[in-house]
Amino acid sequence: DAGVIQSPRHEVTEMGQEVTLRCKPISGHNSLFWYRQTMMRGLELLIYFNNNVPIDDSGMPEDRFSAKMPNASFSTLKIQPSEPRDSAVYFCASSLGVPNTEAFFGQGTRLTVV
Amino acid sequence: GDSVTQMEGPVTLSEEAFLTINCTYTATGYPSLFWYVQYPGEGLQLLLKATKADDKGSNKGFEATYRKETTSFHLEKGSVQVSDSAVYFCALISNTGNQFYFGTGTSLTVIP
Repeated sequence: DAGVIQSPRHEVTEMGQEVTLRCKPISGHNSLFWYRQTMMRGLELLIYFNNNVPIDDSGMPEDRFSAKMPNASFSTLKIQPSEPRDSAVYFCASSLGVPNTEAFFGQGTRLTVV
Repeated sequence: GDSVTQMEGPVTLSEEAFLTINCTYTATGYPSLFWYVQYPGEGLQLLLKATKADDKGSNKGFEATYRKETTSFHLEKGSVQVSDSAVYFCALISNTGNQFYFGTGTSLTVIP
């Protein structure tokens, strides 16, 4: 398996624009996680899905952020409208969704909002 | 709730020095414990894990022992190399759920 695949790897956009980040989890994994990493706040969990259903979205910063998982092999994280303070590295991770198993991370998307 | 507390960084060591990065946890039940490593510009990679008390996880010369009595999972390596320079994250997952809890990360720099 190619691992967790995220796209794009880098995104530069202007303030106010819509940004969509994409993730393909490892085949057979039932849980998917979106994280944001910044120098100031470290690694923050934004939302996680189990069997395509959002379980906990309490980490989503505000209504400008939304995440979907239409099927087991694809998820998106959308920011609309984007702001400079959204600049960060966004990671997607997946796991088997059973106790005692690890999460596998993608390479991340580095988002810069100017 | 469940949580992980790890040693503040940054840590700077000379090559071949001994490394310890402390990690303690709070959890109900019997969590599994992990150490992840993040090299510059990359995602987090699993370094080692332990799923029950007294288990020792090991990989690439790194070790950590699951200590239930002290709720700890300290990362150790006897002789670090320049290539070990990275950020290290301690994490747990409970045995009843599938949400991960990560520490804040500890940056390690090894100088020749």
